[in-house]
Amino acid sequence: KAGVTQTPRYLIKTRGQQVTLSCSPISGHRSVSWYQQTPGQGLQFLFEYFSETQRNKGNFPGRFSGRQFSNSRSEMNVSTLELGDSALYLCASSEGHPTGELFFGEGSRLTVL
Amino acid sequence: EDKVVQSPLSLVVHEGDTVTLNCSYEVTNFRSLLWYKQEKKAPTFLFMLTSSGIEKKSGRLSSILDKKELSSILNITATQTGDSAIYLCAPLVYGNNRLAFGKGNQVVVIP
Repeated sequence: KAGVTQTPRYLIKTRGQQVTLSCSPISGHRSVSWYQQTPGQGLQFLFEYFSETQRNKGNFPGRFSGRQFSNSRSEMNVSTLELGDSALYLCASSEGHPTGELFFGEGSRLTVL
Repeated sequence: EDKVVQSPLSLVVHEGDTVTLNCSYEVTNFRSLLWYKQEKKAPTFLFMLTSSGIEKKSGRLSSILDKKELSSILNITATQTGDSAIYLCAPLVYGNNRLAFGKGNQVVVIP
């Protein structure tokens, strides 16, 4: 069974630009969650999608958004990038029942200059 | 707001040593406590603890939950260099899959 796939793995943007990150969950998994990881704040929850609907949302500004498609693939978008958005963005999938057992991808490393 | 504190934040041990990692939490509607291991990028699931006082074991790793003290410990015995990683704990509350991770325990095992 293929794992969670995130693309791109690395990217560099400049302030003010926007970025879109993609996540393909494990086959059969209907829930996709996104987390931001920085050295100072650790791993912070962004949002969770289940069956194309946002089920939970963390405390991030509206510049952070996401969506989920009918095949469970998910994208997250960050607009008007700021230096502080530099981070590792991790996607995690699960079957959907809230058990807390998540399967993480390798992440997308975003650097904002 | 959820509060999760892990200690120590980092430690360096020699191969063969025993490591004890602590996690304390304050959340509403607590359901279970999860531990993850992050070696490079992707955290991987280790344990889910639901009941107080029942130890879960996986090889040299073991973990236990104390609901009264709102805490959990993760033990690693006979450490190996492959145990070098960040260990993350996160409480799960009823009703959603949202995990509030602590900042992690960074463990470095030197030969």
